[in-house]
Amino acid sequence: EPEVTQTPSHQVTQMGQEVILRCVPISNHLYFYWYRQILGQKVEFLVSFYNNEISEKSEIFDDQFSVERPDGSNFTLKIRSTKLEDSAMYFCASDGLRSPLHFGNGTRLTVT
Amino acid sequence: GNSVTQMEGPVTLSEEAFLTINCTYTATGYPSLFWYVQYPGEGLQLLLKATKADDKGSNKGFEATYRKETTSFHLEKGSVQVSDSAVYFCASGGYQKVTFGTGTKLQVIP
Repeated sequence: EPEVTQTPSHQVTQMGQEVILRCVPISNHLYFYWYRQILGQKVEFLVSFYNNEISEKSEIFDDQFSVERPDGSNFTLKIRSTKLEDSAMYFCASDGLRSPLHFGNGTRLTVT
Repeated sequence: GNSVTQMEGPVTLSEEAFLTINCTYTATGYPSLFWYVQYPGEGLQLLLKATKADDKGSNKGFEATYRKETTSFHLEKGSVQVSDSAVYFCASGGYQKVTFGTGTKLQVIP
């Protein structure tokens, strides 16, 4: 069964540094998402992306965040200047028309 | 907007016990409802779903029925196994975005 793949599985960075989290969605899917889960808390929606543009974003997704689909297969989340509170598990997801979300295994981001 | 409330965990059960994890939702319109499972060290996997009132989703012995009158989508399993130990998330929404509950950790002991 096709999978959403995310790399790296764990990223450690220092406060103020930029990080890029990478995702390869399922190949025939059209909608792409980032969610995050702070340790022990609920999974929160960050942003959805369709047709090469952001279709919806949450309050969490402020100016330090950006997303990009640089080629036909990758979907990236960039955090420009990381803060301690950005430490979380970040999940990429994708879906096609009328299909539920398929999630990747997540990237655990630790900001020190 | 949509919101989901699910019972607090952790839930600890003996193997072969009956499981219920409660979930209620608030939404505008009639969202689809989902249960996702997160096994230790892994990502989120769709366990089951229901798209309209009275639909029953089922998978791996788990079931949940979409109850519009009580705005609920409780997860049940008749006989849990140690391998069912995981965190279970109730979620609601359309197919383009879902809202998750806080998750319920289930631990099944032999």
